Amino acid sequence: QKEVEQNSGPLSVPEGAIASLNCTYSDRGSQSFFWYRQYSGKSPELIMSIYSNGDKEDGRFTAQLNKASQYVSLLIRDSQPSDSATYLCAVNSGANAGNMLTFGGGTRLMVKP
Amino acid sequence: EPEVTQTPSHQVTQMGQEVILRCVPISNHLYFYWYRQILGQKVEFLVSFYNNEISEKSEIFDDQFSVERPDGSNFTLKIRSTKLEDSAMYFCASSSGRGNEQFFGPGTRLTVL
Repeated sequence: QKEVEQNSGPLSVPEGAIASLNCTYSDRGSQSFFWYRQYSGKSPELIMSIYSNGDKEDGRFTAQLNKASQYVSLLIRDSQPSDSATYLCAVNSGANAGNMLTFGGGTRLMVKP
Repeated sequence: EPEVTQTPSHQVTQMGQEVILRCVPISNHLYFYWYRQILGQKVEFLVSFYNNEISEKSEIFDDQFSVERPDGSNFTLKIRSTKLEDSAMYFCASSSGRGNEQFFGPGTRLTVL
């Protein structure tokens, strides 16, 4: 059974701070990793994808992947109240597992003005 | 910017009735998916579809479910005889390739009474 684990939160940070969100996954063969943002009652919105070890930056967002530790993280710099949402980690386990994404339960982020 | 669209946004049905949820994937995408999210729970994979056939399905996707691409633009999910436990948000997603980023539609909220 492939598992993706996230701390449910809430993670509360002040406006302008760095928010750090973490995710672990069980399938060592996983190859593609994604972070989605989900506002209450809305659909998942893709923020970042990462496929190889290391860091990937896009604006205020940085995704970090460590396949040896089976760990993915998302850093949000200069957090804004509009960043308040649930952040979903999703993992695609690669060719043998097809294209399905396995989602974590999400971490609720609250950015306080 | 291209996006996935879904109709209807909300569907209310009686237990035992058939429902069809509709999706229009992003036009140059080749892989199509259905996911669902029961209120307060994780996003769960149902089925993936490529080259006019199911490429993968989960245990949730039993004989009551079917998918179809009736024309060059629509992708549908049919539930033959709805149960109370089918009440959930159903999300359609599409991607341009295997393992690539999946983009989600706004969802259909299905309520089974």
